[in-house]
Amino acid sequence: AQKVTQAQTEISVVEKEDVTLDCVYETRDTTYYLFWYKQPPSGELVFLIRRNSFDEQNEISGRYSWNFQKSTSSFNFTITASQVVDSAVYFCALSTTTFTGGGNKLTFGTGTQLKVEL
Amino acid sequence: DSGVTQTPKHLITATGQRVTLRCSPRSGDLSVYWYQQSLDQGLQFLIQYYNGEERAKGNILERFSAQQFPDLHSELNLSSLELGDSALYFCASSVVGGDYGYTFGSGTRLTVV
Repeated sequence: AQKVTQAQTEISVVEKEDVTLDCVYETRDTTYYLFWYKQPPSGELVFLIRRNSFDEQNEISGRYSWNFQKSTSSFNFTITASQVVDSAVYFCALSTTTFTGGGNKLTFGTGTQLKVEL
Repeated sequence: DSGVTQTPKHLITATGQRVTLRCSPRSGDLSVYWYQQSLDQGLQFLIQYYNGEERAKGNILERFSAQQFPDLHSELNLSSLELGDSALYFCASSVVGGDYGYTFGSGTRLTVV
């Protein structure tokens, strides 16, 4: 079975602080995909990143960066110089190749509520 | 606009009623997934269809059912509604599997009163 754990339920920071959201996953599959989604107060799920299990390179996109470490089964997300607009719930998710014939479900963590205050 | 269309955006109905949620996947995507997001259960996978056939089932209640039509749009039917069914229901689509990512619709917020 697949499992994603986001131990941080809620994080509050002051604007311009850096913040790291933790994600730990469990799977027996050797091929899998990890995702981060952002859910702002408006409710939609916004895709941030997808990473496959064979690519352990860290990635940076503007103020966002991701650290993937297979050795610790973690896929952490860092926001540098946080802004009020970053306030949202962030979900880490895992997809594996368990299902054949076209489709693998996403298993989500419970999410981390990030509050960025002035 | 993500390319996945969900209707209606909001729905208020009474207990015991039946509703149908509709999802049109992104053009070219063959797989449709339904998720339920409630306050106490988080984002739960309900069911997946691929090219008209059911492929995977998650924590979907027997009162709930879904189908995918030849034009690939999908409907999620919720019957004998209870207060606890109040939630945000998301539809997502993908090309084939998760290898190419998932695109989510904006969700249908269901309130059962």
